[in-house]
Amino acid sequence: AQRVTQPEKLLSVFKGAPVELKCNYSYSGSPELFWYVQYSRQRLQLLLRHISRESIKGFTADLNKGETSFHLKKPFAQEEDSAMYYCALSGIGGYQKVTFGTGTKLQVIP
Amino acid sequence: DTGVSQNPRHKITKRGQNVTFRCDPISEHNRLYWYRQTLGQGPEFLTYFQNEAQLEKSRLLSDRFSAERPKGSFSTLEIQRTEQGDSAMYLCASSGGRSYEQYFGPGTRLTVT
Repeated sequence: AQRVTQPEKLLSVFKGAPVELKCNYSYSGSPELFWYVQYSRQRLQLLLRHISRESIKGFTADLNKGETSFHLKKPFAQEEDSAMYYCALSGIGGYQKVTFGTGTKLQVIP
Repeated sequence: DTGVSQNPRHKITKRGQNVTFRCDPISEHNRLYWYRQTLGQGPEFLTYFQNEAQLEKSRLLSDRFSAERPKGSFSTLEIQRTEQGDSAMYLCASSGGRSYEQYFGPGTRLTVT
């Protein structure tokens, strides 16, 4: 069975502080890992995908297969980063269903 | 607006009634997904279409739920004999070609009284 665990429901940080949103997963095989974001009153949208290894809006995420983790990081939080963040996984290719975690609300305090 | 659209945006119904939701994907996308999201949870996968073929269904999709995608374009999700536990946000997403990215619609919020 595939599962995504996000242990924090809410993470509050001050503007300019580093951010780390935790994500652990369980999957038989090699999954595709994603981070999705939902800003207030907006649709759920893809933030980044592990295989692309790119930084989006200053966020990066490293896949650690040994620890089955895919934590999302940003060195300096901005107020506009406040949103719900969902870690998610899919099978190889990423075309199949996506399994989401329960989400972490990031609150950046000015 | 060329994004994924869903109708209606809100639906209030009485227990036992049937409801139907519609999703219009991005026009060139051949894959379409339905998810359900309840308060405090992430979206939960319900079903997935590639063109008109329904390729996967979650165990969450009881026999009261049925989804169709005639002609591989828009999709409908019907819930028969609604129960209070069906109250949730129903999300539709689409993707296409070699792109793995799923584009989500705004959702239909169902309230069963």
